[in-house]
Amino acid sequence: AQTVTQSQPEMSVQEAETVTLSCTYDTSESDYYLFWYKQPPSRQMILVIRQEAYKQQNATENRFSVNFQKAAKSFSLKISDSQLGDAAMYFCAYRSATSQGAQKLVFGQGTRLTINP
Amino acid sequence: DTGVSQNPRHKITKRGQNVTFRCDPISEHNRLYWYRQTLGQGPEFLTYFQNEAQLEKSRLLSDRFSAERPKGSFSTLEIQRTEQGDSAMYLCASSLGYRNEYGYTFGSGTRLTVV
Repeated sequence: AQTVTQSQPEMSVQEAETVTLSCTYDTSESDYYLFWYKQPPSRQMILVIRQEAYKQQNATENRFSVNFQKAAKSFSLKISDSQLGDAAMYFCAYRSATSQGAQKLVFGQGTRLTINP
Repeated sequence: DTGVSQNPRHKITKRGQNVTFRCDPISEHNRLYWYRQTLGQGPEFLTYFQNEAQLEKSRLLSDRFSAERPKGSFSTLEIQRTEQGDSAMYLCASSLGYRNEYGYTFGSGTRLTVV
């Protein structure tokens, strides 16, 4: 079974600075997707960024980028120019890309990010 | 389409009572998922529907839990004889197809408190 580990329960950063959230995962599969989700206090989970395992190029979405190290099974999220609206719980998630089964998301424990003004 | 809708947003119930939650997915999405999230933890998979068929259930889904998705549209999750350990946020998500590269669309969840 796949597992996802986020070793940082809480992180804080000054507004406008850069912060990196860590995530490691364990799988025997070669084809999968990795995601970072943001869950603000309103609780709706919002997709931040995704990475396809077969792509070597790291995904980037505006101020958000990832460092995907497939061999090390590491998938960190970098937030540049942090804004107050970035404050939330961030979850790393894994999903198999096979056509069989539910393709359910396996989540890490989450990292609570605080932005200091 | 306003996304995935879940009702009620909050539910407080006495131990031993039955509760039912509803999820209305995005209309064209054929896949629907239920997750449970306890405080300070990531969501955990409960069950999955493809259209009206319930194809996978987690071992977390005890026999007190039942889920349905009649006609492949909305879904309900019922918990019978609630226990304090059932207190959690219950999240619903939907997606289209299995190679949906964009993950799922989540609802805002139903927070259950069992007293």
